[in-house]
Amino acid sequence: DAKTTQPTSMDCAEGRAANLPCNHSTISGNEYVYWYRQIHSQGPQYIIHGLKNNETNEMASLIITEDRKSSTLILPHATLRDTAVYYCIVRVDFGNEKLTFGTGTRLTIIP
Amino acid sequence: NAGVTQTPKFRILKIGQSMTLQCTQDMNHNYMYWYRQDPGMGLKLIYYSVGAGITDKGEVPNGYNVSRSTTEDFPLRLELAAPSQTSVYFCASRAGFTYEQYFGPGTRLTVT
Repeated sequence: DAKTTQPTSMDCAEGRAANLPCNHSTISGNEYVYWYRQIHSQGPQYIIHGLKNNETNEMASLIITEDRKSSTLILPHATLRDTAVYYCIVRVDFGNEKLTFGTGTRLTIIP
Repeated sequence: NAGVTQTPKFRILKIGQSMTLQCTQDMNHNYMYWYRQDPGMGLKLIYYSVGAGITDKGEVPNGYNVSRSTTEDFPLRLELAAPSQTSVYFCASRAGFTYEQYFGPGTRLTVT
């Protein structure tokens, strides 16, 4: 699985959009970008994933650059409950049962 | 649906004791996983199962055993507990047609 680089921590004002970057410059053509988050002491929660097109669901949007070397997770209207550690994971899906979590970005939503 | 449930929530073991961490899912998922998370670190895969009767090792299987006799249950057995097994243990599951994993609330284990 390709290595990812994320900022250690970020702050965002409540109600604003939170933009979390992830660099994955060595990504291969068959690797997906996944985002999970972990709210303090809870189990990780799946957010969104994509291959090369931008994706949106009820929780977030995922923007992947055209060269696929980086991506941004967008939480459109951050709330205090979005305070968590966010993990960007790049992985091949087929035949791969390993989900490798790095150290992620600690996002703090400021009231 | 309750999703993925784990018991117990907390446990303290003495060195050399054994215990079983329970994991149950009610989503009829074929795939199930056990991870451990050490303080300040990411998750590491211990064991996984692609269906009843089939299990395989992950990154850090030493000191653990698993079994999968039903689709719903995937218990993790610790034999001869060691301080290095102090961690938070998460169970997860996924459906066969998608790769998103759904996690339980975790079991916090301390071995002293």
